[in-house]
Amino acid sequence: DIQMTQSPSSLSASVGDRVTITCRASQGISNYLAWFQQKPGKAPKSLIYAASSLQSGVPTKFSGSGSETDFTLTISSLQPEDSATYYCQQYNSYPLTFGQGTRLEIK
Amino acid sequence: EVQLVESGGGLVQPGGSLRLSCAASGFTFSDHYMDWVRQAPGKGLEWVGRTRKKANGYTTEYAASVKGRFTISRDDSKSSLYLQMNSLKTEDTAVYYCATVGSHFAFDYWGQGTLVTVSS
Repeated sequence: DIQMTQSPSSLSASVGDRVTITCRASQGISNYLAWFQQKPGKAPKSLIYAASSLQSGVPTKFSGSGSETDFTLTISSLQPEDSATYYCQQYNSYPLTFGQGTRLEIK
Repeated sequence: EVQLVESGGGLVQPGGSLRLSCAASGFTFSDHYMDWVRQAPGKGLEWVGRTRKKANGYTTEYAASVKGRFTISRDDSKSSLYLQMNSLKTEDTAVYYCATVGSHFAFDYWGQGTLVTVSS
């Protein structure tokens, strides 16, 4: 199975800041990498697919990059509503696997 | 508007069975692969399994943790996805989400989830 490791596990940032979350795959996955946002008590929301493509309706403050084993999610101009847990997921091979999540707190 | 509505969750004893449903609307259900993903209380997301569409023979894939116990099926005439869960274990306690798979093979839309609690 492909292991997905996110860092950091949690972070705190201020309104207006830009943050970057890293996701590393245990083996190359080309660009078959997605990012999700989940707020407490809610279903995940799809943000990015193919490492850098925005899902329909997702604001451009979210951006993704990377390939093979190293990926990043960048969120700019942080707002209070960006407070959530963010997950990466590989869909290069079965079983599909998720990172452990990164909890983002907005100060 | 795409809508996915899960139902069928509840409390079940270890060793018991439960069938979850996911009613889809707002898109052409038959054109899409569909997945189940679960989330244990306070934990991260775990992929459960997938059903492909008719053109791909309705074939399925499962996580090792549920293979042989869970069965995913679909009824395109009803735009519905199902998860039959047998021989349930306490570690199957989770919120179960259904999700659509887009043409790019990543998840597009998610349902709101249904809670399954396995406990005596």
